[in-house]
Amino acid sequence: AQSVTQPDIHITVSEGASLELRCNYSYGATPYLFWYVQSPGQGLQLLLKYFSGDTLVQGIKGFEAEFKRSQSSFNLRKPSVHWSDAAEYFCAVYNNNDMRFGAGTRLTVKP
Amino acid sequence: DVKVTQSSRYLVKRTGEKVFLECVQDMDHENMFWYRQDPGLGLRLIYFSYDVKMKEKGDIPEGYSVSREKKERFSLILESASTNQTSMYLCASSQTGIYGYTFGSGTRLTVV
Repeated sequence: AQSVTQPDIHITVSEGASLELRCNYSYGATPYLFWYVQSPGQGLQLLLKYFSGDTLVQGIKGFEAEFKRSQSSFNLRKPSVHWSDAAEYFCAVYNNNDMRFGAGTRLTVKP
Repeated sequence: DVKVTQSSRYLVKRTGEKVFLECVQDMDHENMFWYRQDPGLGLRLIYFSYDVKMKEKGDIPEGYSVSREKKERFSLILESASTNQTSMYLCASSQTGIYGYTFGSGTRLTVV
């Protein structure tokens, strides 16, 4: 069965610093991959998705993610973090009517 | 703006009560889902539905049931609430999962 691992439970970065959130997936073929963001007390919002083509995908709010098949990874990046980016981030993999989520990475942004 | 609406943001119920969590989507999506979210465990699928009157068990269906009488509405039912069902409940919908899911804002349920 497919699965998703987010190795970092909690990350703290300074405002203006760059960000990379890690995601590894387990799945035999090329999966459909997603990043979602959840602000406190809210539902999940789709940041970006990958399912074919260019391995670097752009999303909303200035985020991007890179699909690396050889590493089974789909890491999320942002060049300069804003205080409003503080939230929880979930990586997900979808195949055959089954969406699997990672446990999430909580991002804290220091002033 | 497309939406998934969950009827309550916060609920407090007593042990043994029957609890209904309602979810409505206005996107004419075929598929609807109920997840529960707990710290450190991410999102776990309770039930899903691909069509009206259809339902399928997810990973943790025990203690829950669902109802989908109309395409836009998907209800989660806790037949006899227990304290271990205290959690955040998230409803989602999709036309096809390859484009991702649209989530509601969640219902934080506390069972006392």
